[in-house]
Amino acid sequence: GENVEQHPSTLSVQEGDSAVIKCTYSDSASNYFPWYKQELGKRPQLIIDIRSNVGEKKDQRIAVTLNKTAKHFSLHITETQPEDSAVYFCAATPYDKVIFGPGTSLSVIP
Amino acid sequence: DVKVTQSSRYLVKRTGEKVFLECVQDMDHENMFWYRQDPGLGLRLIYFSYDVKMKEKGDIPEGYSVSREKKERFSLILESASTNQTSMYLCASSRPGQALEQYFGPGTRLTVT
Repeated sequence: GENVEQHPSTLSVQEGDSAVIKCTYSDSASNYFPWYKQELGKRPQLIIDIRSNVGEKKDQRIAVTLNKTAKHFSLHITETQPEDSAVYFCAATPYDKVIFGPGTSLSVIP
Repeated sequence: DVKVTQSSRYLVKRTGEKVFLECVQDMDHENMFWYRQDPGLGLRLIYFSYDVKMKEKGDIPEGYSVSREKKERFSLILESASTNQTSMYLCASSRPGQALEQYFGPGTRLTVT
């Protein structure tokens, strides 16, 4: 089945710096790649997604890139702010399933 | 606005008890999912359902079963609770198709003693 790896598991950055989280997947049937943010004590919420026919997508300070050949995709957050502190999950979607990575705990230090 | 609700935020049960976790969504979504969330392991899929009375095993179905008698309700059942099932349980729902934004419930923190 699908296996999603995610790195790093923890990440600390200074406010204003950029943060990058990388994921790999194994099942070539996956063609939709969402990213979820989970703040402490809250439910995960979708923040951005990318489909396999697109290489990059941006939404304000957040961007995702996808290399379908290499089965890599990444989340980039620029000009980080304290409210970006959370756990971020990448996911791959073989057929109708959603398989999540283990998560990255991001801390933005003011 | 999609609402996914779960029957309890916190639950404490004894080893061997039968445990029911209920999830209800109000957006007429066909797909419903049960995950457990453990530190360092992310969200692991237990079971999912694409329609009423339909269920599919996820990655870690052992020790669990599910029931979907109505479209809006998806129940997770621990037949005989064990301490290694102590975890956060999250329910989610989505529309069918491959662009699957999942809407999550608030979670149930289950402790088995």
